[in-house]
Amino acid sequence: EPEVTQTPSHQVTQMGQEVILRCVPISNHLYFYWYRQILGQKVEFLVSFYNNEISEKSEIFDDQFSVERPDGSNFTLKIRSTKLEDSAMYFCASRAVAGDLGNEQFFGPGTRLTVL
Amino acid sequence: KNQVEQSPQSLIILEGKNCTLQCNYTVSPFSNLRWYKQDTGRGPVSLTIMTFSENTKSNGRYTATLDADTKQSSLHITASQLSDSASYICVVSAKGNNRLAFGKGNQVVVIP
Repeated sequence: EPEVTQTPSHQVTQMGQEVILRCVPISNHLYFYWYRQILGQKVEFLVSFYNNEISEKSEIFDDQFSVERPDGSNFTLKIRSTKLEDSAMYFCASRAVAGDLGNEQFFGPGTRLTVL
Repeated sequence: KNQVEQSPQSLIILEGKNCTLQCNYTVSPFSNLRWYKQDTGRGPVSLTIMTFSENTKSNGRYTATLDADTKQSSLHITASQLSDSASYICVVSAKGNNRLAFGKGNQVVVIP
């Protein structure tokens, strides 16, 4: 069964360093998302991406964040200068088509980012 | 502001027993509501989805209900198994909105 994959599973970095989190969405999906979940908190929307551009972003997704689909397969989230508060689980999700009904977002297993 | 509140925050149940998890939401205009199961260290996996016109949906031992008038949903787990230990997240989608509104989750621990 096709699934969303994410690498690495755990990333440890020093404050101020750049990190790139990688995702491979399900192959025929068109909509891509990044979410984060701080330990003990709810999952929070970061950004949605369609047709090679950001379609929506949250207040969390500031200038330190960027997303890219560099090769038609991978979908990446870059954090330019990490802060301690960026420590969280980051989930990628993909969806086949837009629409209100059905069209489930499939989530990857997540990347745990630890900023020291 | 679109919000989703879940209760109880956590519960411990004996293997074989039933339990019910609650979700209240203020998302509007409502499109659909999903219950996800999230195992520790894993991504959420969809269990059920319900639209405005549906008031109950089953998936094996999981049965979800929806009251769109009172904006409440419940997830009932029947004859719990140890593998049911997980966080159960209520996720609500608004019409015409790409975003999903997540609850904080109900942490369920099933003990032998």
